[in-house]
Order: sequence, then structure tokens, then C-alpha cells
Amino acid sequence: QSALTQPASVSGSPGQSITISCTGTSSDVGGYNYVSWYQQHPGKAPKLMIYEVYNRPSGVSNRFSGSKSGNTASLTISGLQAEDEADYYCSSYTTSSTPVFGGGTKVTVL
Amino acid sequence: QVQLVESGGGVVQPGRSLRLSCAASGFTFYTYGMHWVRQAPGKGLEWVAVMWYDGNNKYYADSVKGRFTISRDNSKNTLYLQMNSLRTEDTALYYCARDSEPFVAVGTFDYWGQGTLVTVSS
Repeated sequence: QSALTQPASVSGSPGQSITISCTGTSSDVGGYNYVSWYQQHPGKAPKLMIYEVYNRPSGVSNRFSGSKSGNTASLTISGLQAEDEADYYCSSYTTSSTPVFGGGTKVTVL
Repeated sequence: QVQLVESGGGVVQPGRSLRLSCAASGFTFYTYGMHWVRQAPGKGLEWVAVMWYDGNNKYYADSVKGRFTISRDNSKNTLYLQMNSLRTEDTALYYCARDSEPFVAVGTFDYWGQGTLVTVSS
């Protein structure tokens, strides 16, 4: 399975909104609603931020939102804050009954 | 609360073997699929393997197929990863992670351990 495609980096100023894309194929992102997003701060384990395309786990800020159109999923962070600076990874279930990750996106708060 | 604690990492020579363990607590272990995910130094996340809740289904990434074996002991609430024929490219922090859905494995990871470091070097 090939990795999903994410931009290497995205940046924004505090208070702005940014969007991270995650592009796959009809065998993964386009074929299932099991798309999830993870936040990882340096030296820490990943944290689930969005599951099943747009659902937020309890405790995750509503500034984080997810969507999907065709083979591309997106994570939007609104009202960007310094604490949002981290690496973000998307993941999708695939026709192989296995998951696949994106390459990761480094979010920088300017 | 859900806790996943990995152990067994270390420094090993290429071609040798290592077994990782993941001790789970705070949830009904035998009802959830469990995954291993790794992260090479400075790199992204790579899914490694999954075992369904009952042990009847297991899948592997192509990069480890035939060399790694995932298993679980539901009586001990423990997940394992037996790694044979290790290569330098297997050097990574290995995380165990719980699948979010009981009785299936949809590839969403809702809880993660802190990881155990495996270094393959001569």
C-alpha cells in the first residue's frame, strides 16, 4: 500500500485557519469513511484528533474539524494557537483490510 | 483509564531477533483489535501489523511480512511482536495502539503506548 499524500508543511498566524489535505485513492480514502487524523508533538506519542472523517473524540477542541471529498480528506484547524504546532498524520482503512498513513505534515504557527 | 506499556526494545545486530511486548490495562483487552505502528528516527508513522480481538485475523505491512509475527495472550492482556531477521531499516520507535472499534479492526488508533526503541546496528 502506498502512503497517503500530505503536504510536508503548512503554516499560519495565530487566530488564522489552516487546512491540511490527505490524498489517496478509491482503494483507501475514497472507498471508506474510516479516515482519521493524529497530532504528534516532539517526543510524544500520537494523539487521535479526528476519526471517521469528521468525528472528534471527547476532549478534542472543536477548533479541529475534518471532511472528505472523493479521494481527498482534509483537516482544518481554526483559530490557530501556539499549542497546535505539531506534526499531523492522516490514516485510512484500505481494501487490503489494513490501514495506511500519510507522510505527515509539519504545522508551524508563525 | 486505558494504559498501554511497551517493553522489549534494545540494540540488536542485523539478522538477529527481538520480541516486543505491550501490556494493556483499563479496558476489556480481549474485545479489541491491537496494532503495532513504528516510527523511524525523524520520519513518519508506519503501520506494521494488526491482530483482531480473537486472534483469528492478522495482517502485516509488506515491509515486515515473513519476518515479523504478531500475537496476543488475552489471559495476560498482552500483545507481542516477534521480530526476526532484523534489518537496519527496522530501527524505529515501536508503538502499540488499540483499534477504536471492538470486535473489528478499522484502522483507527484511539490509544497509544509511549513506544519502545529498537535499534538494529552492527
